[in-house]
Amino acid sequence: GQQLNQSPQSMFIQEGEDVSMNCTSSSIFNTWLWYKQDPGEGPVLLIALYKAGELTSNGRLTAQFGITRKDSFLNISASIPSDVGIYFCAGLRNTGGFKTIFGAGTRLFVKA
Amino acid sequence: SQTIHQWPATLVQPVGSPLSLECTVEGTSNPNLYWYRQAAGRGLQLLFYSVGIGQISSEVPQNLSASRPQDRQFILSSKKLLLSDSGFYLCAWSETAVRGYTFGSGTRLTVV
Repeated sequence: GQQLNQSPQSMFIQEGEDVSMNCTSSSIFNTWLWYKQDPGEGPVLLIALYKAGELTSNGRLTAQFGITRKDSFLNISASIPSDVGIYFCAGLRNTGGFKTIFGAGTRLFVKA
Repeated sequence: SQTIHQWPATLVQPVGSPLSLECTVEGTSNPNLYWYRQAAGRGLQLLFYSVGIGQISSEVPQNLSASRPQDRQFILSSKKLLLSDSGFYLCAWSETAVRGYTFGSGTRLTVV
């Protein structure tokens, strides 16, 4: 079945550093979504991408829809302690109805 | 504005006991509704989704069931819990999948 490979699995960084994470697949997707889950809470949608090559920002977060439509990237600039959490990518493909496939998540730890 | 309510927040249940988790959505009609489970430190596993009253699709065979007795109410149930049912259960709704999901705050279930 369709799978998303999200990496890295976890990251330990210093406050102020930039962060990069990505999701890749062998399948083409029509939509990429990025979520953040704070500890003990449900995930919250950060950024939605609908077009190959699209680059979208949300504050210090920037995400890109890969040109091949098989990958997506999320960058966080100048990390702060509240960036701690799990970041999930999700790919959607229209197969007679959109099905959402989630990546396994990137767990981010930020040291002040 | 739309809101999603999920309860209880925490639940400790003995093996073999029944389960009922409830989720309601306000401020929208005919939402797509979803139940996900997240094992500790793991990704999101889709359990059930519903596109309308009485319409339930199961993604993973298990001893859980779901029902949608009203348009904006989604219930997750079990007749007899197993230890492996422990996890973080998340309800979510969407108007259309490509716009992403809005998740509830989750129920942490511990089966002892």
